[in-house]
Order: sequence, then C-alpha cells, then structure tokens
Amino acid sequence: QKEVEQDPGPLSVPEGAIVSLNCTYSNSAFQYFMWYRQYSRKGPELLMYTYSSGNKEDGRFTAQVDKSSKYISLFIRDSQPSDSATYLCAMSERDDKIIFGKGTRLHILP
Amino acid sequence: EAGVAQSPRYKIIEKRQSVAFWCNPISGHATLYWYQQILGQGPKLLIQFQNNGVVDDSQLPKDRFSAERLKGVDSTLKIQPAKLEDSAVYLCASSLWGRGYSYNEQFFGPGTRLTVL
Repeated sequence: QKEVEQDPGPLSVPEGAIVSLNCTYSNSAFQYFMWYRQYSRKGPELLMYTYSSGNKEDGRFTAQVDKSSKYISLFIRDSQPSDSATYLCAMSERDDKIIFGKGTRLHILP
Repeated sequence: EAGVAQSPRYKIIEKRQSVAFWCNPISGHATLYWYQQILGQGPKLLIQFQNNGVVDDSQLPKDRFSAERLKGVDSTLKIQPAKLEDSAVYLCASSLWGRGYSYNEQFFGPGTRLTVL
C-alpha cells in the first residue's frame, strides 16, 4: 500500500461548480498536510497547509483533515477556468520531508 | 523576491550520456531539495541539503546520481550515465529552516525536463 493515495483523474467540472479533491494515507505519523497546485510546465506552488486535524479556509479554498480516517480533502468553491491545473496532496511527519500524492488533473469547463 | 531558478529548462540526451542540472535557491534559504517527477506522478525527493551538508539522500540512486551544494547556495545534480527511466522533470525547491519558523514552506523552481532517448 502506497503511503499516499490520490485519484489521478482527470476531473472535469463546469465553471462555478464546487470541486472536491481528496487523498488517503496510511502513515499515522503524518502531522503536516498540504495541497499544492501545479500548472503545466511549472513547479508546484503551495495552496494550503494544515497542521494536525481540522479545517482551514482561504478564500474559495477549504482544506479538511480527518486523522481518524486518514483522509484529507480540498474543496474549491465557485470554480474558475484558471483553477484548471494538477492538484497534489502532500504530507510530512515533520516540516521537511514531504510525501506527495500522484496529483489529480482538474479541468474547469467555461 | 526572485524565485528558485533552474537551468536548463529542457534537455534531450541519449542513454549512457551524462547530464547536469543547476539550481539557484531563494536568497537566504538554508535548505535545498532536489525532486524527480515522472510523468503522471507526484514529485519524489532525491536529496535534501541543509546549507552545504546532506540531510537525506536515501532515495538518490548513488550509482549514477550525484549532487553537491558548494558554499551552501547553488546546487548541481548530475546523472552519469543516464538511463531511459531517468526521463522526468527534475525540480529544485528551497525553504527556510530552523526554530522559530512555524512552517517550512518549500518553494519550487520551474524544473528541468529531461528526455533520455
């Protein structure tokens, strides 16, 4: 079993819809949970991070962590064509070595 | 603030040839990472430097890959000899490090896309 599982998609949704992305993991020692966004031909950029369990909101983005279920989610409200990218979940035990998921390719249809 | 710089952006070589990638991290960032991202996969850490010392190179194929970070700033990653399976994007990232920082955000460069024929 891989440490971090993420459905690669692609996921296509119409503009304005709510997008739900998620990952599962097996290592209970993970404490830092991150979502990175990666546009084509670019490096990943940090979108959200959460320490331990709980929710975090930043504008149209909400990150949720459920450590009891080893499940994390990213919600995007009022999705825009500019949100089309690959979204990578990532986790670490300490704030250094990051384990990434495969990434989910998201297409927002105008 | 300038971001992480990498060069070249693209490289095509034949198997068994050698190749080197260069990274210049964000000024003041003590920690530097090299990742390998194969198409359709997430980035995989190859090596982590703290200043010019190696913190983690457990996933670096040391028979063909080498990396150095002289003077604790720029870094080079070398592959010699290259194999077909080395075709990937090689990403460099840097971060602040140490006590007093609440989270160690890693900032990524644009990557070098390597094709091995």
